[in-house]
Amino acid sequence: DQQVKQNSPSLSVQEGRISILNCDYTNSMFDYFLWYKKYPAEGPTFLISISSIKDKNEDGRFTVFLNKSAKHLSLHIVPSQPGDSAVYFCAAIAGNKLVFGAGTILRVKS
Amino acid sequence: NAGVTQTPKFRILKIGQSMTLQCTQDMNHNYMYWYRQDPGMGLKLIYYSVGAGITDKGEVPNGYNVSRSTTEDFPLRLELAAPSQTSVYFCASSYQGGYGISNQPQHFGDGTRLSIL
Repeated sequence: DQQVKQNSPSLSVQEGRISILNCDYTNSMFDYFLWYKKYPAEGPTFLISISSIKDKNEDGRFTVFLNKSAKHLSLHIVPSQPGDSAVYFCAAIAGNKLVFGAGTILRVKS
Repeated sequence: NAGVTQTPKFRILKIGQSMTLQCTQDMNHNYMYWYRQDPGMGLKLIYYSVGAGITDKGEVPNGYNVSRSTTEDFPLRLELAAPSQTSVYFCASSYQGGYGISNQPQHFGDGTRLSIL
C-alpha cells in the first residue's frame, strides 16, 4: 500500500531549464509535506515543505505546489544546476504517520 | 557542527547475531527517528522518540528495539539479525512541531550500511 508515490524513477534536464518533480498521495489525512534531497553515501537533507492549508511555498530556486483536490504535489527547480543532480524524496505527515516516496533521480546536464 | 552522527558506517553480521547501531545528535532536538532504506525504495520509519524516556513504533518496528535515556542518544538494537534486515539505516532528529510526528525539518546522519549474511 504505497500511500506516497513518485511515479517517475528518473528525470534528465538541461542546465538552466526547469526541473519538475512530482508526487502523488492517497491519504487525505496528510496535512504536511516535505521534500528532501539525497546525494550518494550521504543522508537526506531538507529542501522545502508545505502545509495543507497552502497551495504554494517558495524558497529561492525551489517552489513546491500542492493540489489537494488532485492529491498531488510538485517541486519546481528553476534554474536547474548540475549540483542539483541527486535523488529527491517527497514525504507526507498525518499525526504519527510519516511516509516517504521511493524517490526520483534528477540528472542535470551541463 | 557535528549534527547527527551514526556509527558504524558499515557492518556485516551473521544471521542470528545482535548489534546496536549508535546515533547521537548535538542540536538539542527533542525528536529522533530511525529509518531503513531498501534498494529502490523510500525511507521507512522504524521507531521514533519525542523525548528522553519516550519511544513509539513507526511503520516497520518488528525485529528492532530502541531506547532513549538521554536527549542526545538514540541507539537501535537488532537482537537476532535476519537477511531481511539487510539495508541502509538512517538516524534523524528534529525540533518539536505539529501533533504526533514533528513537521519540522529532520536532520539526517550519513547512514549505516548493514549486511546480514
